[in-house]
Amino acid sequence: AQSVTQLDSQVPVFEEAPVELRCNYSSSVSVYLFWYVQYPNQGLQLLLKYLSGSTLVKGINGFEAEFNKSQTSFHLRKPSVHISDTAEYFCAVTRSGVAGNMLTFGGGTRLMVKP
Amino acid sequence: EAGVAQSPRYKIIEKRQSVAFWCNPISGHATLYWYQQILGQGPKLLIQFQNNGVVDDSQLPKDRFSAERLKGVDSTLKIQPAKLEDSAVYLCASSLDVQTEAFFGQGTRLTVV
Repeated sequence: AQSVTQLDSQVPVFEEAPVELRCNYSSSVSVYLFWYVQYPNQGLQLLLKYLSGSTLVKGINGFEAEFNKSQTSFHLRKPSVHISDTAEYFCAVTRSGVAGNMLTFGGGTRLMVKP
Repeated sequence: EAGVAQSPRYKIIEKRQSVAFWCNPISGHATLYWYQQILGQGPKLLIQFQNNGVVDDSQLPKDRFSAERLKGVDSTLKIQPAKLEDSAVYLCASSLDVQTEAFFGQGTRLTVV
């Protein structure tokens, strides 16, 4: 079984500042990793995913994440945030080979971008 | 391409009543998932279908929850009778197959009073 820990429940940041949302996972098998964003009253939208290959993954809206196997982490970063990035962000994991299957989600991090 | 459609968007019921949610996945997607998202938590998988067969329902409270996927397309999730702790957003997702990423609908927000 896999588990995901998002270390910060809320991250306040000023507009145009950089941000990092932290995610650590636990698994006894190889994994795929995902970041989803959820805007108020909306469903989940995939930001980016790591399946294999380069450990630095670029996603939509200027976000990127780096897979660090030794530290079992998959932190999400953006060099300059906008007000429109205010949302809930979820890190998720599943075992390799089944990218859609039985995702395990972290508890979420609420990103609050202030003007 | 149309996304995953869910209805209703919102539902308020009294405890011990029954409720049903409907999901229409993306056309051609064989795999369908129902997740429960309690306020302040990440989504939790309730049940997974592959076409019209159940792949995993280990976290579905079967004494009150049931789900079906007729003809391998639309799916319905039912709660009977509802409890206060069932208040949550119920998300439906679909994927081409288990190897590809899942796409989520907007969810149904259930409030049990």
